[in-house]
Amino acid sequence: SQQGEEDPQALSIQEGENATMNCSYKTSINNLQWYRQNSGRGLVHLILIRSNEREKHSGRLRVTLDTSKKSSSLLITASRAADTASYFCATGGSSNTGKLIFGQGTTLQVKP
Amino acid sequence: ETGVTQTPRHLVMGMTNKKSLKCEQHLGHNAMYWYKQSAKKPLELMFVYNFKEQTENNSVPSRFSPECPNSSHLFLHLHTLQPEDSALYLCASSQEGQGQNSGNTIYFGEGSWLTVV
Repeated sequence: SQQGEEDPQALSIQEGENATMNCSYKTSINNLQWYRQNSGRGLVHLILIRSNEREKHSGRLRVTLDTSKKSSSLLITASRAADTASYFCATGGSSNTGKLIFGQGTTLQVKP
Repeated sequence: ETGVTQTPRHLVMGMTNKKSLKCEQHLGHNAMYWYKQSAKKPLELMFVYNFKEQTENNSVPSRFSPECPNSSHLFLHLHTLQPEDSALYLCASSQEGQGQNSGNTIYFGEGSWLTVV
């Protein structure tokens, strides 16, 4: 069953702008992760935030987690054309089985 | 290069064929997964293997048959598939941890594009 739902489904911005993607989930989680997928390729792990963390940074990426609202956001600052890809959130269940449930993803297009 | 290698990258098969997808991970992980990605649908978890034992089968039809001979290799045997089974099949691995502080970051292969004709 689908756990994470990303919003918006598609986002188009100009190079240099910031891109914000949101993810909502339904059940309690151990952690939430963001992945990136270039067209036709495998998914690449970007960042993991644990349920007891509120914000995390990695380079131009900033992730927030609000467990009371069951939501997370991914901010990409100073976007580049190479950031064009689909971005997925995935939630790890509190049972810690390693099973991740993925959302449908946000397709980001960064125009040069 | 993520440390997870899938072959073949592309496969076209007829509905009566039998073929297999192969996955190998070089990360020393103890868990391996098969995911299916179809157009306009969320990534679907198919099978989970933990220490070579299947721990999850997400109501996958029996025409998909997984095999995990050791913790580094995972196969997906395909037989009498349907055209709607055409999709990108992604293999992944992770180090399954213990407790609330383990990571469960999953490392994906590049996928195998399957077309059933």
